[in-house]
Amino acid sequence: QVHLVESGGGLVKPGGSLRLSCAASGFSFSDYYMSWIRQAPGKGLEWLSFIVGSGGSTIHYADSVRGRFAISRDDAKNSLYLQMNTLRAEDTAVYYCARGRDYFDFWGQGTLVTVSS
Amino acid sequence: DIQMTQSPSSLSASVGDRVTITCQASQDISNFLNWYQQKPGKAPKLLIYDASNLETGVPSRFSGSGSGTEFTFTITSLQPEDIATYYCQQYDDLPRTFGGGTKMEIE
Repeated sequence: QVHLVESGGGLVKPGGSLRLSCAASGFSFSDYYMSWIRQAPGKGLEWLSFIVGSGGSTIHYADSVRGRFAISRDDAKNSLYLQMNTLRAEDTAVYYCARGRDYFDFWGQGTLVTVSS
Repeated sequence: DIQMTQSPSSLSASVGDRVTITCQASQDISNFLNWYQQKPGKAPKLLIYDASNLETGVPSRFSGSGSGTEFTFTITSLQPEDIATYYCQQYDDLPRTFGGGTKMEIE
């Protein structure tokens, strides 16, 4: 069955960096777009970015993270990544990886990122 | 960005009730709309895609309808396990955007 597991979250100071990973299993990872979506404490869902599979170059970002965050993937390792730089307090959230571009049919359990001094 | 407005933001109903949530898009999104269920402390789960298509394994008491700018999500007979927050999401344009959520509670 499809399984997505995020890791890499934690406490980081404002201006710092963090790299999130998402390990995928149970499906042909390279065939699928993958996305990152976050949820601030007590708030709703915010889509951040998606990346095409199979070695393509299609990537899109939300304005809130463009230029600070970078999505990437390693299809040989069935892994998705989110490099987060210049972190701000408002980036504090649970970060989910999800399968898909238009609708998100499988989600990981999420990893908490806290940006605080 | 396309704004998605859900109403109500919270809803209290009894077991067995028929409940309906609405989602309004700020522009025509055809049927490019999905619905998710999120239980406390859990990741969201896709229930409905393309406005009215039930995801595999989702109980038939859940349904969706609408097109253009107005959409509805219905639970025909509310069950205790349906306590959750429900979100709509459009994919007509980038960025993908979600509604603010509707928190469902049992009376």
